[in-house]
Amino acid sequence: GAVVSQHPSRVICKSGTSVKIECRSLDFQATTMFWYRQFPKQSLMLMATSNEGSKATYEQGVEKDKFLINHASLTLSTLTVTSAHPEDSSFYICSANVRGRTDTQYFGPGTRLTVL
Amino acid sequence: AQKITQTQPGMFVQEKEAVTLDCTYDTSDQSYGLFWYKQPSSGEMIFLIYQGSYDEQNATEGRYSLNFQKARKSANLVISASQLGDSAMYFCAMREGPTGFQKLVFGTGTRLLVSP
Repeated sequence: GAVVSQHPSRVICKSGTSVKIECRSLDFQATTMFWYRQFPKQSLMLMATSNEGSKATYEQGVEKDKFLINHASLTLSTLTVTSAHPEDSSFYICSANVRGRTDTQYFGPGTRLTVL
Repeated sequence: AQKITQTQPGMFVQEKEAVTLDCTYDTSDQSYGLFWYKQPSSGEMIFLIYQGSYDEQNATEGRYSLNFQKARKSANLVISASQLGDSAMYFCAMREGPTGFQKLVFGTGTRLLVSP
């Protein structure tokens, strides 16, 4: 099946710093990638939809200036958490669907962000 | 209103027995898709099975089958012959709208524990 990777898998940072998370589709082209956030013992909440070559579409309540998304190529999307604070600590997970296929959506392994 | 409802926060099953995880959904779209994902403690989201709203047959993938009852808007996951490795969180998700639009909405999940 299609493989999606994320880097880093775990990051700990100080409050006020920015953190970049990469999401890559390794063996397929992903015109659209999705970024989710998952708090402990909760479900996944969609943050934004990332489209290659265009601006991301953010869900209601998600600050676009705080969570910067760039989808520079058909295989890479990045999420930058700017000026991170402890409340941003969460599990961030990306997903992508294979172009032309609608019956699957592949997820990356996730990134656990801890802001001290 | 919740779009995806999973009423079982936790389920227990003995090894080799079958278990059904419930999922009901709410949509006014005619075209939609239903997904089940498994999330082990490592955090990755593992795709299990997909059912399209126009599919007449219930989806099956190995030990997983989806009991799709369109009129009742339910899409229960059936795991046959449970294994210890099936212990994990299970999420039901729905894609609404045209097939080219892959945004998923997730339920709150069911934690399955398989005992020897």
